[in-house]
Amino acid sequence: DTGVSQNPRHKITKRGQNVTFRCDPISEHNRLYWYRQTLGQGPEFLTYFQNEAQLEKSRLLSDRFSAERPKGSFSTLEIQRTEQGDSAMYLCASSPRTASSYEQYFGPGTRLTVT
Amino acid sequence: AQSVTQLGSHVSVSEGALVLLRCNYSSSVPPYLFWYVQYPNQGLQLLLKYTSAATLVKGINGFEAEFKKSETSFHLTKPSAHMSDAAEYFCAVSLNYGGATNKLIFGTGTLLAVQP
Repeated sequence: DTGVSQNPRHKITKRGQNVTFRCDPISEHNRLYWYRQTLGQGPEFLTYFQNEAQLEKSRLLSDRFSAERPKGSFSTLEIQRTEQGDSAMYLCASSPRTASSYEQYFGPGTRLTVT
Repeated sequence: AQSVTQLGSHVSVSEGALVLLRCNYSSSVPPYLFWYVQYPNQGLQLLLKYTSAATLVKGINGFEAEFKKSETSFHLTKPSAHMSDAAEYFCAVSLNYGGATNKLIFGTGTLLAVQP
């Protein structure tokens, strides 16, 4: 069990560029979540996958954002035409599907800076 | 809709003193409740969780929290603060019903400073 990993850890991009982040959950965790955390705030839910199916999306996830989880393993989060307001820490978490699997295990996050 | 309120965005204690971080929740159904800790530029680490079993929950690093339904509270405590406890602490709630995604709703966090 190596924990949730996220790449890259830091990304600096210019406004209008596209960026893609990757999350590798704990193996055999079938639930995967994306959150966004801005400075001084708690994380906010973006989207949820159960296996490869995207079952819930927050209103925060505008049409410039897209997330995938092919084959129910790793996940990617893409932001198109980035804006300065997209600058934040993007956190990925995974959770196993068992009777007591209510807790989520977080990765170290990807910090995005849009200049 | 469910929500979490953390009273006090900054708390400062002396090393060895009691740590008390406050969390109140609002939920239309029985909640699951969590405390997470975040060190600078890192992800979140689970400290403890309440999932409708014992109301007094013990976690890692000597922390514990008590679920009080009548007060809709889930305050985090530690009898004696260590310098290494300095970090940001988040309280979170998720829904407890069949079919729920169990997404977490977080409070705005409490930054704990520990003075020598």
